[in-house]
Amino acid sequence: NAGVTQTPKFQVLKTGQSMTLQCAQDMNHEYMSWYRQDPGMGLRLIHYSVGAGITDQGEVPNGYNVSRSTTEDFPLRLLSAAPSQTSVYFCATRRDTYNEQFFGPGTRLTVL
Amino acid sequence: GQQVMQIPQYQHVQEGEDFTTYCNSSTTLSNIQWYKQRPGGHPVFLIQLVKSGEVKKQKRLTFQFGEAKKNSSLHITATQTTDVGTYFCAGNRLTGGGNKLTFGTGTQLKVEL
Repeated sequence: NAGVTQTPKFQVLKTGQSMTLQCAQDMNHEYMSWYRQDPGMGLRLIHYSVGAGITDQGEVPNGYNVSRSTTEDFPLRLLSAAPSQTSVYFCATRRDTYNEQFFGPGTRLTVL
Repeated sequence: GQQVMQIPQYQHVQEGEDFTTYCNSSTTLSNIQWYKQRPGGHPVFLIQLVKSGEVKKQKRLTFQFGEAKKNSSLHITATQTTDVGTYFCAGNRLTGGGNKLTFGTGTQLKVEL
């Protein structure tokens, strides 16, 4: 089992470009989330999903879109990249609300 | 919205010294989880506490959940170089939080020989 996978590992974008960060899991977990990690600010929730076809906003959703068409995949789309979106992005899954989260290895994104 | 703060932000200790990080929520939590993130890595789950006043131990690590379920602590006895990393608490709001798990700001631990 691969657990939670994220691609790419590293990405450099120019301001205004769009891209999709991929997240896939083979744990059959219903809950999936996207976080961004910035120095001194911990992990901030961007969007999350409690099952296929259901998504909701977290603390910092602006500038990001998500969709959940299957249990396995939860892509994060940056519509028009800005330097403020330079960060490390983590995808995470869990079985339900009160279980541990499993994190992917992260994507390090730089927006110039 | 719910805020979860951790103190200290950074801690340098000599190997063998004890270490404690404190987690404080602005709202009452239904549970508290702790994660460890090694440098360059991703957060890894350590433990979950759900009961008011609960204390759990994992070898040299002791976790506490406050009586009011708004604060928590992680204490490491006799630190080792393998304890290096950033420790995060995370919790679900008791009411009105939905399914959101809010993370604390983290405490970065460095252990020197």
